[in-house]
Amino acid sequence: GEDVEQSLFLSVREGDSSVINCTYTDSSSTYLYWYKQEPGAGLQLLTYIFSNMDMKQDQRLTVLLNKKDKHLSLRIADTQTGDSAIYFCAARGWYGGSQGNLIFGKGTKLSVKP
Amino acid sequence: GAGVSQSPSNKVTEKGKDVELRCDPISGHTALYWYRQSLGQGLEFLIYFQGNSAPDKSGLPSDRFSAERTGESVSTLTIQRTQQEDSAVYLCASSSDSYEQYFGPGTRLTVT
Repeated sequence: GEDVEQSLFLSVREGDSSVINCTYTDSSSTYLYWYKQEPGAGLQLLTYIFSNMDMKQDQRLTVLLNKKDKHLSLRIADTQTGDSAIYFCAARGWYGGSQGNLIFGKGTKLSVKP
Repeated sequence: GAGVSQSPSNKVTEKGKDVELRCDPISGHTALYWYRQSLGQGLEFLIYFQGNSAPDKSGLPSDRFSAERTGESVSTLTIQRTQQEDSAVYLCASSSDSYEQYFGPGTRLTVT
């Protein structure tokens, strides 16, 4: 089955760019997602990319997908202290049908220092 | 509009008791998912509903776990004879098209 891997921690200074990386194993994954989780809260959908795209930009967020290497990244420009959270990468594929349950990485904890 | 809601937000129960966790999806969302988040296992898929049918129960960890959904509305996850390893945050998500899944705030279950 699908396996999604992320580094566990990232620390950046306020105003810098953050890049969070993710790898996945199943090349049939059709959609790849980034979710944000703040302490004590549920998961907030940030953005997602379809597997036939290389890049998607949404305000301060840029998603890059290298399908050949099965590598996904999330770049946050001008990182702010409010961006401190855990970021989860997730993959969705046609696993046994169209139900589309997500397979998540363990999450990357982003710490933003003032 | 209103997002996914879950109740209770926190539940403390004694080992061996049964618990019911509730999820109210976004109105009109036909797909509903339950996930579990624990320190050791990360985020795990439990069960998926399309309408009130559950075509995929593959993630339920044991036969102590069951779930129901009423039409395209409320879902209840029931854990019977709770064990300490059931302690986790139980998250519900709903979707209108299964591409964008919107999560509720979760129910934190503690089994003592």
